[in-house]
Amino acid sequence: GESVGLHLPTLSVQEGDNSIINCAYSNSASDYFIWYKQESGKGPQFIIDIRSNMDKRQGQRVTVLLNKTVKHLSLQIAATQPGDSAVYFCAENSGKTSYDKVIFGPGTSLSVIP
Amino acid sequence: SQTIHQWPATLVQPVGSPLSLECTVEGTSNPNLYWYRQAAGRGLQLLFYSVGIGQISSEVPQNLSASRPQDRQFILSSKKLLLSDSGFYLCAWKSPIARNTEAFFGQGTRLTVV
Repeated sequence: GESVGLHLPTLSVQEGDNSIINCAYSNSASDYFIWYKQESGKGPQFIIDIRSNMDKRQGQRVTVLLNKTVKHLSLQIAATQPGDSAVYFCAENSGKTSYDKVIFGPGTSLSVIP
Repeated sequence: SQTIHQWPATLVQPVGSPLSLECTVEGTSNPNLYWYRQAAGRGLQLLFYSVGIGQISSEVPQNLSASRPQDRQFILSSKKLLLSDSGFYLCAWKSPIARNTEAFFGQGTRLTVV
């Protein structure tokens, strides 16, 4: 569900290391999940998505893992770069019709140390 | 290609004054439209969503209202702003046909109520 009242957790990673950002979702009926990246002062941008019939999906330097048993998502960023510094949100499609709502998790602030 | 426009980018308004934020989408028809608010250092809270002209769903009770006078226009309003209305407001659109697709965000409006 939404945790909009909580301060963002932070993750600091050395440049070149791998980053792992975690997210728990609440609606077991959600069947589509998205990771977004939000740079300071801008709107969120799509990174990667995954459907509930998959447990892993890979993109360029990013991998999303889905564990439906414990309702957990993770985003792995390989060889983290300074440009990866941003806030990362997971989101789930909540709804079974076109009246679908995109519900965001609380977000994680990633800081890359050069 | 589709684009989404939000304006203004920043706004400083006194307490008790009215508010009107506008969002328009180009390059698509009958999009699902969303308004989110993001307090500083926090997550995204869904405020309103709309699946068609004149159809507005409110997610949380608040001092704000939304309207959709045209297919690709979504307006966020208030009659009298409160200090607690300060935040970063984001408009987003999503395809009404392909359900499992990502939402696309505007660049946001930073509202400061003084």
